Order: sequence, then C-alpha cells, then structure tokens
Amino acid sequence: AQTVTQSQPEMSVQEAETVTLSCTYDTSESDYYLFWYKQPPSRQMILVIRQEAYKQQNATENRFSVNFQKAAKSFSLKISDSQLGDAAMYFCAYRTLSVGTPLVFGKGTRLSVIA
Amino acid sequence: DVKVTQSSRYLVKRTGEKVFLECVQDMDHENMFWYRQDPGLGLRLIYFSYDVKMKEKGDIPEGYSVSREKKERFSLILESASTNQTSMYLCASSLTAGPPLEIDTQYFGPGTRLTVL
Repeated sequence: AQTVTQSQPEMSVQEAETVTLSCTYDTSESDYYLFWYKQPPSRQMILVIRQEAYKQQNATENRFSVNFQKAAKSFSLKISDSQLGDAAMYFCAYRTLSVGTPLVFGKGTRLSVIA
Repeated sequence: DVKVTQSSRYLVKRTGEKVFLECVQDMDHENMFWYRQDPGLGLRLIYFSYDVKMKEKGDIPEGYSVSREKKERFSLILESASTNQTSMYLCASSLTAGPPLEIDTQYFGPGTRLTVL
C-alpha cells in the first residue's frame, strides 16, 4: 500500500523568507500524481500544486514550487517570500493514475508565519 | 467555480444516535469521497463513490455507511454514534472525464466538526 510521510509536524518562517516542507512517499508504481494541499484555519482545503511523476520538470505555481526527486521518492514544497496568509496546515498527498481513486495523505505540517 | 457544501459546520450528538452528514457538489462530478481528519493522523478515507449507487470502502469504514442516491449528493451515516467518532469530517469530489487538470483535482467542502457526547 502507498504511504506518505511528512516528518515535520510544525514549522515556522519569518515573513518574506523561504521555507521548505518535506514529504516522502512509498509506492511500487512508476507513474502517479503528487499534490500539496493547504488548509487554512477556516478549514477549506485547497490545492496548492500538483506534479505528474512522468514529468521531469518540477512544478511551480507563483511563490510555490516543488523539488521532486523520483528515485528518492521525495516531494518537498518550497514557499518563497512567505506571507502571513501562508499560515496553514499543509498536506502532501499521493494518487495513482487511475481516475477517481482517492488521495493518500500525509499527516500534515503546520506552518506558522512570523511577522 | 466548483462548490462542495456540507450540511453543518458544527454538530453535537449523543452516544447511540443515528447521525447523517450530507455533502452536495454542484459541478456534476462523478467521484465523491468522505475523509476523517484527526490531529496527528492527517486525513483518512472512510468511503468513496465513483457513481450513483456505487460505493467503495476506504481505510476506516467500520462504524460508518454511505448513501449515493443522486449524483450530486453523498451522505455519510453513523448508525450508532460513539465518542471515538468525534472528529472533523471532510467531503470531496472530483471528475472522471474532462480537462486533465480538472480530473486530477479533488475539491473539498468546508468540513463538519462532529462532537459525540
């Protein structure tokens, strides 16, 4: 079974600085999807960024980028120029290529942003 | 924009009560999911459905059942609520067919915080 591990339960960053959240996963599949979801204190979970395993290029979305290391099964999220609104729980998630299959989530990292 | 709504943000029930949590999505998504979120445990899948009247067990289905009579609505049922079912419940939906970026994305509702006394 696939598993997703987030080894940092909590992290903090100064406003305008850069922070990296770690995620590793375990799978025997060769192709799959990886996601980072953000859950602000209001609780609505939203997608931050996604990566297709068959793509070599790391995904980027404005201030958010990933470092995808397929051989190491590592998928870290980098947040540049951190803002107060980035404070949230961040979940790393995995999904197989089969359409309609559920996500497998890590336990989350709580990010605090210090003004 | 996709909208996933859940019937209640907060719910308090007594042990032994039958509890219904409702989830509705307005974007004609085929797939719907129920997750449970607990501190330190992340999100765990309870049940999911890929079509009307179809359901699949997730990782922690014990003590729960689901109903999907209409495409837009997916209900989670606690037949006899227990205190260990106190949790945050999140519903999500996704497309089976459509633009690639859309079919890969699950959209979440705001969650229902259930307390069982």
